Amino acid sequence: DVVLTQTPVSLSVTLGDQASISCRSSQSLEYSDGYTYLEWYLQKPGQSPQLLIYEVSNRFSGVPDRFIGSGSGTDFTLKISRVEPEDLGVYYCFQATHDPWTFGGGTKLELK
Amino acid sequence: QIQLVQSGPELKKPGESVKISCKASGYTFTDYAMHWVKQVPGKGLKWMGWINTYTGKPTYADDFKGRFVFSLEASASTANLQISNLKNEDTANVFCARGGGTTPFDYWGQGVMVTVSS
Repeated sequence: DVVLTQTPVSLSVTLGDQASISCRSSQSLEYSDGYTYLEWYLQKPGQSPQLLIYEVSNRFSGVPDRFIGSGSGTDFTLKISRVEPEDLGVYYCFQATHDPWTFGGGTKLELK
Repeated sequence: QIQLVQSGPELKKPGESVKISCKASGYTFTDYAMHWVKQVPGKGLKWMGWINTYTGKPTYADDFKGRFVFSLEASASTANLQISNLKNEDTANVFCARGGGTTPFDYWGQGVMVTVSS
């Protein structure tokens, strides 16, 4: 199974700071069709996860442009510029390239 | 608007069965697969598998083969998950989510808390 390793496990920030989360895969996530099915989800406290980014760098409808996904192959990053209160929660990367699909362990973004 | 509405919380004893549902609205049910995701309280997310809502064919992740059954009531735009012979480790919040593969999980149900306790 593909293992997605997220770092850091927790991240303390001041509002307005930039935050960066890494997601490293045990295998390349480029699929045979040329696409890379790496997604980012945010789970706010007491809520269902919500889609932020798909195919590495595409923002889902309504997601602010302060969320930026990047990377390729096995190394991926989610950057949040100017963290706002509604950005707090647990971030998960997820891959749908290799069966079984797998989530990273999560990164908790909290206030310093 | 697109919604996935799941059934209510369940409290069961070990060895019992449970069936939870996920009713979709606001889109054509058979145009998107339905996936199931498990979350043990305080822990991360685990993909359980999915069901092709057009053909009804289920696919299970290895840890969810045997006691878990995905099914459909397509006429009611509803996907179901039945878990038999419940164990304490089945205690979790279970989400349904639309999409998967080339389509990300763009809409999620609110989750169903399944508690297994004697």
